Amino acid sequence: KQEVTQIPAALSVPEGENLVLNCSFTDSAIYNLQWFRQDPGKGLTSLLLIQSSQREQTSGRLNASLDKSSGRSTLYIAASQPGDSATYLCAPMMNRDDKIIFGKGTRLHILP
Amino acid sequence: DAGVIQSPRHEVTEMGQEVTLRCKPISGHDYLFWYRQTMMRGLELLIYFNNNVPIDDSGMPEDRFSAKMPNASFSTLKIQPSEPRDSAVYFCASSLGGVFSNQPQHFGDGTRLSIL
Repeated sequence: KQEVTQIPAALSVPEGENLVLNCSFTDSAIYNLQWFRQDPGKGLTSLLLIQSSQREQTSGRLNASLDKSSGRSTLYIAASQPGDSATYLCAPMMNRDDKIIFGKGTRLHILP
Repeated sequence: DAGVIQSPRHEVTEMGQEVTLRCKPISGHDYLFWYRQTMMRGLELLIYFNNNVPIDDSGMPEDRFSAKMPNASFSTLKIQPSEPRDSAVYFCASSLGGVFSNQPQHFGDGTRLSIL
């Protein structure tokens, strides 16, 4: 059974800092991995999707990397802004079925 | 595009009552997913549909839960009878082509359900 762990569970940093959110998963037989953002009282928004054959994906200030063999992914946020405050969830999808397994997320607070 | 629309946004009802949650997916999307989110268990997939047909309902917790998709633009998740442990936020999501197409899922804002 795939287990997804996100560390840290919560993080507060001053505005402008670069930061890294970590995700680890126990089963490396994944098809892809997504990073989502969830704002309070809202649904999830897909930020980046990395296919299993890829090493990283970039979108603006966000960069996600994937090391499938070691079961790790990181989300790098450059020059953090207060608007980046949200919960970030890591979600690998398994090869064997259509299911996405979600981590419990990292709650990020950017201090102005 | 209006996005995925869920209703109601909040539902408070007493134990034993029937609860019906509704979802309108993004037009043209052929996959629809129902998820449940709690503090303890995080986000869990309950059931998903492809072209209105249920594909995998292994995440549905009990027979008290049922889901239907009578047409491409509407789905319901029903709980009967409801219990306090069903209290959670229920999300609906839709996507084009399914997860193996590497297309992202688009989520609604959820229904916050409280069973007293």
